[in-house]
Formats: sequence, C-alpha cells, structure tokens
Amino acid sequence: EVQLVESGGGLVQPGGSLRLSCSASGFTFRSNAMHWVRQAPGKGPEYVSAITADGYNTFYADSVKGRFTISRDNSKDTLSLLMSSLRTDDTAVYYCVKVDWGAVRDSGGPLHDYWGQGALVTVSS
Amino acid sequence: DIQMAQSPSSLSASVGDRVTITCRASQGVSNYLVWFQQKPGKAPKSLIFAATSLQSGVPSKFSGSGSGTDFTLTINSLQPEDFATYYCQQYDTYPYTFGQGTKLEIK
Repeated sequence: EVQLVESGGGLVQPGGSLRLSCSASGFTFRSNAMHWVRQAPGKGPEYVSAITADGYNTFYADSVKGRFTISRDNSKDTLSLLMSSLRTDDTAVYYCVKVDWGAVRDSGGPLHDYWGQGALVTVSS
Repeated sequence: DIQMAQSPSSLSASVGDRVTITCRASQGVSNYLVWFQQKPGKAPKSLIFAATSLQSGVPSKFSGSGSGTDFTLTINSLQPEDFATYYCQQYDTYPYTFGQGTKLEIK
C-alpha cells in the first residue's frame, strides 16, 4: 500500500524558513517523480514544485521560484521542501503527491495518484 | 500559466438531482484534464482523467466530456455523500493548474 506521510509543518514568522519532509513507502520511491501541492484556506490547490525520479530536474511555480527548494533522498525514500523567505500568502496545507502525469498523457491511463494527509504551514507574526 | 475557469462557483441541489459543472481552459489542453472531489479536511480524490475516463473505483454516476478548452463534469442521481467541492485540473503543461472549485451544497 502506498503511503506518503508529511511532517515539519507549523507556525513561522514572515521571512522565516521551514523544511517539510515526506516519508514514502509501499512503492519504489527512486523510480517515481514527486510533487508538492499546496492549498491555501478556502482556495483551490496549487502545484508548487516537482522533481524527477533521479532528482536531477526540478520545477517550480513562479509564486515560489527562488524561495523554495525541492530535493529528495532516494536512499531514505524521503522528499523534502525547503521553504525560505516565507510570506503570509504561503499559508496553506502542503501535500506530498505521487503521480506521473507524463505517463498518463502518453498512454491515456490508468491514473494512479496518491496524496499524503497534508502538513499545515502557517506564516504569521 | 494555463488558467482554468470553473462555473458555477457554488451550486445548490437536492438528493436525486443531476448536476453539471463546467471548466474552461485559457488555451487548449487536448484531453489532459482531470476532475477531483474534495471533502473538508481531506486530500482531493480523482474521479475522471483524460477528460472522459472514469477512475478505478469511482461510480458510473460520474461522467466527463470535452476536449481542447471546454469540459464538463456531470453527476447523476445525487446522494448525500456527493456534496463536496469539485475541481478541474489540467496536466498538459507544468505548472499544472486547478480551477477555483465548485462547492456543491444540499438544497
């Protein structure tokens, strides 16, 4: 059974930093691209960052580019998101997501998407 | 970024009703469109992918249509467990983007 467990959320002041972690199990972590998706209170979800299976390629939404860094440790089945220069509009639940949208595009399906339970990040003074 | 516009933003319906939610992309996304259902405090759950394909385990009361820029999600015979918020999302171009959501409420 695929399991994704986020940790590291909490309250941080504007301008501060926080590192989120996602512990993965139930699948071959090193063979899968991974995503961070966040959802601000009362808003729709937003893809924040992605990383390829080998960790060599990373992608960021413009809203976090230059402030957030995604990384992974394939020896420990762990995904991370280092968030710096945090702003009040970064307040959200952050989800770790396993899904290969490229494969779904290429083959037309099936879709296998897995989401963690989410970690709440609150940026406030 | 590709913008996704959903309508309506909220919808009031009764048990047994049929409802339709629409989603429009700011540029063509082929059929690379997924629909999610989300309940309070939970992660989104995929219902339809590739615009029209039913996700495994999802009841056939849910159906999707469309291609290019215009898409619809239809839910037949509403039951109490269907009252939730629904989102469309394109997976044509990163960053993949969601609509703002449609909150389906009991009348």
